[in-house]
Amino acid sequence: GAVVSQHPSWVICKSGTSVKIECRSLDFQATTMFWYRQFPKQSLMLMATSNEGSKATYEQGVEKDKFLINHASLTLSTLTVTSAHPEDSSFYICSALQPNTEAFFGQGTRLTVV
Amino acid sequence: AQSVSQHNHHVILSEAASLELGCNYSYGGTVNLFWYVQYPGQHLQLLLKYFSGDPLVKGIKGFEAEFIKSKFSFNLRKPSVQWSDTAEYFCAVKSRDGQNFVFGPGTRLSVLP
Repeated sequence: GAVVSQHPSWVICKSGTSVKIECRSLDFQATTMFWYRQFPKQSLMLMATSNEGSKATYEQGVEKDKFLINHASLTLSTLTVTSAHPEDSSFYICSALQPNTEAFFGQGTRLTVV
Repeated sequence: AQSVSQHNHHVILSEAASLELGCNYSYGGTVNLFWYVQYPGQHLQLLLKYFSGDPLVKGIKGFEAEFIKSKFSFNLRKPSVQWSDTAEYFCAVKSRDGQNFVFGPGTRLSVLP
């Protein structure tokens, strides 16, 4: 299957700082990418849908000013957690939609805010 | 907005038992349906998917799922589970235009040796 690379896999940051997570589709162009958050032993919660060249669509309850999403190219989307707080600690997963088929997932980023 | 529900939070089976995990979705338009598996410590892997055609879909590792449009259901089945099937299973629904891709809450499957 297609490959989606997410970086970094694990990051620890201080409270109040910002963290950027990258999601790259390595062997296909993805006009649409999704960002999810997964709490321990729970399902993936869709945070936002990112379309290349346009503003992301955020799910209800997700603060767009806190979770900045940029999808500037067909192979790269970034999620920036601004002014991170301990409650933002979580596992963040991206997926890239291969046109007319399925979505492929990154390996996830574990964010720990101390 | 579309939503996905899964009937069971945690299923415990003995090896060789048959498995059926329920999945129902709510969405008014055309959808694509998926089952993903997440083994402990690993990321999501696709088990099978339904886009169109035969509503009975066969996937990897002996899994299959049946799309019943009238019931908005896409249940996952396996005739005989193995210990290695112990994992978390997620049903997911994507709208045809690709702008929504929503996961169910997941079902944890524990298979006892």
